[in-house]
Amino acid sequence: EVQLVESGGGLVQPGGSLRLSCAASGFRFSDHYMDWVRQAPGKGPEWVGRIRNKAKGYTTEYAASVKGRFTISTDDSKNSLYLQMSSLKTEDTALYYCARELPDNSAYYYFDNWGQGTLVTVSS
Amino acid sequence: DIQMTQSPSSLSASVGDSVTITCRASQDIRNHLAWFQQKPGKAPKSLIYAVSSLQSGVPSKFSGSGSGTDFTLTISSLQPEDFATYYCQQYDRYPLNFGGGSKVEIK
Repeated sequence: EVQLVESGGGLVQPGGSLRLSCAASGFRFSDHYMDWVRQAPGKGPEWVGRIRNKAKGYTTEYAASVKGRFTISTDDSKNSLYLQMSSLKTEDTALYYCARELPDNSAYYYFDNWGQGTLVTVSS
Repeated sequence: DIQMTQSPSSLSASVGDSVTITCRASQDIRNHLAWFQQKPGKAPKSLIYAVSSLQSGVPSKFSGSGSGTDFTLTISSLQPEDFATYYCQQYDRYPLNFGGGSKVEIK
């Protein structure tokens, strides 16, 4: 069974930093693209960024709203995904989900499994 | 950026009804369209990818159709567990945007 468990959320002041983790199990983590998606209270999901697998050189993509402030990384030896967040703003307050991706028949990647999320609150 | 517009934003239906939700992309996304279900306090659940392919374990009461810019999600024979918010999402190009959601409520 695929399991994704996020941790590391909490209360942080504007301008501060935080590192989120996502522990994966039940599948060969190193084969997969992984993403972070966030959801502000009462809002829809917002894609944060993606990291491709080892075969694709662990390359990353980011939403414009976080580019230059957030960094996604993985540690295949620990089956873990990370989101390093810096220069945090109040508008970064959200529930942060990690999500696994699979390729469809045209080799475009879609979300198939989500964690339960970890809450990040940016406030003074 | 590709904008994803869902309609209606909310609807009321009765147990046993069928409902259809529409999602429109601001640009051609080919067939790179997914649907998710979200219940209060829970993570989104993947239902459909590539417009009409069901995720493993998702019942066939959920169906998707469309191509290019216009897509639909149909839920047949609504049951109490189907009352939730549904989101479409394009994965054709960055940023991977979601629609604003369609809340299906009990009448």
